[in-house]
Amino acid sequence: NAGVTQTPKFQVLKTGQSMTLQCAQDMNHNSMYWYRQDPGMGLRLIYYSASEGTTDKGEVPNGYNVSRLNKREFSLRLESAAPSQTSVYFCASIKDFGGYGYTFGSGTRLTVV
Amino acid sequence: KQEVTQIPAALSVPEGENLVLNCSFTDSAIYNLQWFRQDPGKGLTSLLLIQSSQREQTSGRLNASLDKSSGRSTLYIAASQPGDSATYLCAASNTGGFKTIFGAGTRLFVKA
Repeated sequence: NAGVTQTPKFQVLKTGQSMTLQCAQDMNHNSMYWYRQDPGMGLRLIYYSASEGTTDKGEVPNGYNVSRLNKREFSLRLESAAPSQTSVYFCASIKDFGGYGYTFGSGTRLTVV
Repeated sequence: KQEVTQIPAALSVPEGENLVLNCSFTDSAIYNLQWFRQDPGKGLTSLLLIQSSQREQTSGRLNASLDKSSGRSTLYIAASQPGDSATYLCAASNTGGFKTIFGAGTRLFVKA
């Protein structure tokens, strides 16, 4: 099925460990996004990639890095995980900003202990 | 800075009732506003998108309206069903940028 695929679905990390969250879309969308969702706070934008080859910071970029590997793939890296990064992470894509709705992945539930 | 607020945070209604979910935003210079549904442990599913030039959008039993001057959007659900139970989020996208601001959502429970 066409859509946005995120891996892994669940992850537990120890403080200081690193990991990369993977995201891939097969809809030929230009823009891709990483959000985190915390209870009572809605979704907050971490980083986005307006098009292949570009990335920009969102609202809460500290502690994260991203790579737009190609048009399909957009990864999120935690270099040194902290308990404050315990959250549910969502990847999303959109064909072109403005006229179209977002398609979201099913999320990665990350716990940092 | 855009802020999006959804009230109430939670709502419980009997099956068959018509209901309205509210979304308010502080910056009226929005490009579009989108409503999403989120089931527990799942991602977000897009329901309706309203462009800034539009006043409303309809899909089946759902109707979303947009009033930029008052900074409000509403999602109307007709003849609610237990299957409508989920969290509903609204999101405002601003002109000239790629950033979309989400509300915290309204958790809806429809009792059979």
